Amino acid sequence: DTGVSQDPRHKITKRGQNVTFRCDPISEHNRLYWYRQTLGQGPEFLTYFQNEAQLEKSRLLSDRFSAERPKGSFSTLEIQRTEQGDSAMYLCASSLGGRFGSYEQYFGPGTRLTVT
Amino acid sequence: LAKTTQPISMDSYEGQEVNITCSHNNIATNDYITWYQQFPSQGPRFIIQGYKTKVTNEVASLFIPADRKSSTLSLPRVSLSDTAVYYCLLTTRGSTLGRLYFGRGTQLTVWP
Repeated sequence: DTGVSQDPRHKITKRGQNVTFRCDPISEHNRLYWYRQTLGQGPEFLTYFQNEAQLEKSRLLSDRFSAERPKGSFSTLEIQRTEQGDSAMYLCASSLGGRFGSYEQYFGPGTRLTVT
Repeated sequence: LAKTTQPISMDSYEGQEVNITCSHNNIATNDYITWYQQFPSQGPRFIIQGYKTKVTNEVASLFIPADRKSSTLSLPRVSLSDTAVYYCLLTTRGSTLGRLYFGRGTQLTVWP
């Protein structure tokens, strides 16, 4: 399966701890996105990379959140000093860029974070 | 971003055709109508996209009237495995912005 993969699939952490998630996009995709989804809501955009450049960040991405995509391949999303409100599913997606934009994004299975 | 409005939930029985309507009164000239499907504990999956009239693929059909202020996703002969959340989005082709705006979607439940 050469789809988008995310690791870990589940993470339980105590409030105040730091966590890091990894996303491996589809290999030929140059765009990578992070979304957050809470129960009963649709995914909410967090940030977006084109190759290694972080081009867009949502206001949802507070100073405790940082994302990287070194060398334009995999990406990591780190949350520092986790809070209970950070509990959510964190979704990664990738797509091809180009003249038609990025309307068809391929999503990974997500990482479910529970902060106790 | 222009928003969409769709029913929170719908119920159907196996074998029936399901039509989910989405309203987008403020759709812009460059906006396309895009639908995603999400199963529990999975990420969303692109289903179909259209600009006007009708688009059909192996999964669904999308009907868009001339004024483009609404659209209808049609799922023929649904099965239990079509139980999912369906999201109607507006996407701008050629946009340098990466984000998709999902909203709450429509929870479709198919009963035996």
